[in-house]
Amino acid sequence: DGGITQSPKYLFRKEGQNVTLSCEQNLNHDAMYWYRQDPGQGLRLIYYSQIVNDFQKGDIAEGYSVSREKKESFPLTVTSAQKNPTAFYLCASSMQGGGGNQPQHFGDGTRLSIL
Amino acid sequence: GNSVTQMEGPVTLSEEAFLTINCTYTATGYPSLFWYVQYPGEGLQLLLKATKADDKGSNKGFEATYRKETTSFHLEKGSVQVSDSAVYFCALRTSNTGKLIFGQGTTLQVKP
Repeated sequence: DGGITQSPKYLFRKEGQNVTLSCEQNLNHDAMYWYRQDPGQGLRLIYYSQIVNDFQKGDIAEGYSVSREKKESFPLTVTSAQKNPTAFYLCASSMQGGGGNQPQHFGDGTRLSIL
Repeated sequence: GNSVTQMEGPVTLSEEAFLTINCTYTATGYPSLFWYVQYPGEGLQLLLKATKADDKGSNKGFEATYRKETTSFHLEKGSVQVSDSAVYFCALRTSNTGKLIFGQGTTLQVKP
């Protein structure tokens, strides 16, 4: 079955440590996205990528980094510069084109906590 | 800029009650509109969408109509079930950016 796989489901970070969240899709989608969700809030866009080897900052990119070396993979690194990393992180993908009416498909998320 | 505003929750209903969750938007151009649902501990699932004015999206008994004149996309269901308890997100996507803009989410609790 096609879909988006995020791993791990739960992740713990020590102070001063970088951690990487994995996101893989086998939907052959061109675009991929990372969102952060905090309790009682909507989703906020961290980074997005519309093609391989290219990505753009979203609304809250500070303290995060990404890479897009393969179409199916879009890992997110939460660096030590991100002072409040505890959140639920969601990865999504979509087809490009279609005038913006292509829906985004989401993974099941990774919950990151600070030790 | 583009934005989405949803009614605040939680919304608490008894089983078989009628549901309305209000959503209004501000956007330049002609956005596509979406409703997503999030069950506890899971990611978001697309519930329905509408891509132009007067379109009605529908799925699993839920409906929403794209109203350009009132810039609204209210979610409705005639008879809710306990299994509909979840967080519902309204979102828009504009063709020039491709990014989704989400509302803050509305929690629905359905009691038997």
